[in-house]
Amino acid sequence: LAKTTQPISMDSYEGQEVNITCSHNNIATNDYITWYQQFPSQGPRFIIQGYKTKVTNEVASLFIPADRKSSTLSLPRVSLSDTAVYYCLVGDIRYNTNAGKSTFGDGTTLTVKP
Amino acid sequence: DTEVTQTPKHLVMGMTNKKSLKCEQHMGHRAMYWYKQKAKKPPELMFVYSYEKLSINESVPSRFSPECPNSSLLNLHLHALQPEDSALYLCASSQVRLAGGEYNEQFFGPGTRLTVL
Repeated sequence: LAKTTQPISMDSYEGQEVNITCSHNNIATNDYITWYQQFPSQGPRFIIQGYKTKVTNEVASLFIPADRKSSTLSLPRVSLSDTAVYYCLVGDIRYNTNAGKSTFGDGTTLTVKP
Repeated sequence: DTEVTQTPKHLVMGMTNKKSLKCEQHMGHRAMYWYKQKAKKPPELMFVYSYEKLSINESVPSRFSPECPNSSLLNLHLHALQPEDSALYLCASSQVRLAGGEYNEQFFGPGTRLTVL
């Protein structure tokens, strides 16, 4: 399983763009990169998933360089409600047995200040 | 309906008690998961069910016994737990297999906060 490394914490201010980087040096050919958001006492919530280059949805963008050894979650114009823990997962998500093996990393606690 | 429900929300039990956690989803997902999460730590995978059959058991002690009675329900039976088992227990569900171009997203419930005295 690919091990992931993220910053433990980050601070930002409302309205700023936040970029959270995840390192996954031993990512395998069939591995995808997935990001989840978790608020206190709630279950994680899917944010975005990608394999290479750039993926964008209504809440975030995911940038993956050609070597795929790292990825960056970009949150545009954060608000106070984006204060949460963000987890990067790497694993083969094609089948659930492998999806279940996408281990959560330690996560990044993002604090957005007014 | 994209919701995973878990009951109870909170549970306090003694070390000699037997209790069960329940999880339900009506999204047609045939993969269901149990995770354990300690405070300020990431979720740790415990069990994975695929088509109502146990496919992954991450070396979880036998005092935790999962059950998947049908495609919508997942139970976790608890017996003779230890205080260190106190944690947030999360249930999740997902598709088993991607049809192509889809995200294999896990949908999580809100969890059951378990305290073992």
